[in-house]
Amino acid sequence: EAGVTQSPTHLIKTRGQQATLRCSPISGHTSVYWYQQALGLGLQFLLWYDEGEERNRGNFPPRFSGRQFPNYSSELNVNALELEDSALYLCASSLSWTGWISGTEAFFGQGTRLTVV
Amino acid sequence: AQTVTQSQPEMSVQEAETVTLSCTYDTSESDYYLFWYKQPPSRQMILVIRQEAYKQQNATENRFSVNFQKAAKSFSLKISDSQLGDAAMYFCAYYSGGSNYKLTFGKGTLLTVNP
Repeated sequence: EAGVTQSPTHLIKTRGQQATLRCSPISGHTSVYWYQQALGLGLQFLLWYDEGEERNRGNFPPRFSGRQFPNYSSELNVNALELEDSALYLCASSLSWTGWISGTEAFFGQGTRLTVV
Repeated sequence: AQTVTQSQPEMSVQEAETVTLSCTYDTSESDYYLFWYKQPPSRQMILVIRQEAYKQQNATENRFSVNFQKAAKSFSLKISDSQLGDAAMYFCAYYSGGSNYKLTFGKGTLLTVNP
């Protein structure tokens, strides 16, 4: 069974540009979570999608946005890139919102390393 | 808001020995879940162990065990018989419905295993 896949693996953009990151969840998983892992800051929660809708977002500006498609894959868009957006962006998927508490847990992808120059 | 604190940015252990990683959290909720995740150089987060707050018994998974002290809001991870493959960044995480169904992570502890 394929795990959570993220693309691209690495992405280099210049300040002011837009970045699009993609995530394909494990087959059957309907919830997708996005996290930002900046150096020294641990993982910061960005967005949560379930059944095609945004259920929650973290303390990030509106230029961080995303969506979930009918096949449950997800896209994270970062507009007007700033140098401090450079980070590893991790996606996780779970069997609905109960994934983490039902014992079926959530699984992470290997991330997209975004570098803003 | 819930917070998770890992006070040890880095730890090291000799192969075959035991090491304990510390984690404390702050919450006003009574029902929640705690996790330890491992992130090796491959970057993929791997679940090591989980603990339900309503269970008094400490969770164990092979060489990994936790010391869950609910009153003290402490959740430490003990790794026994450390192996070279245990070298990684370890993150403590908290989850509950009150946190709007998201994991809140600590900043991590980098574990080095010396041969």
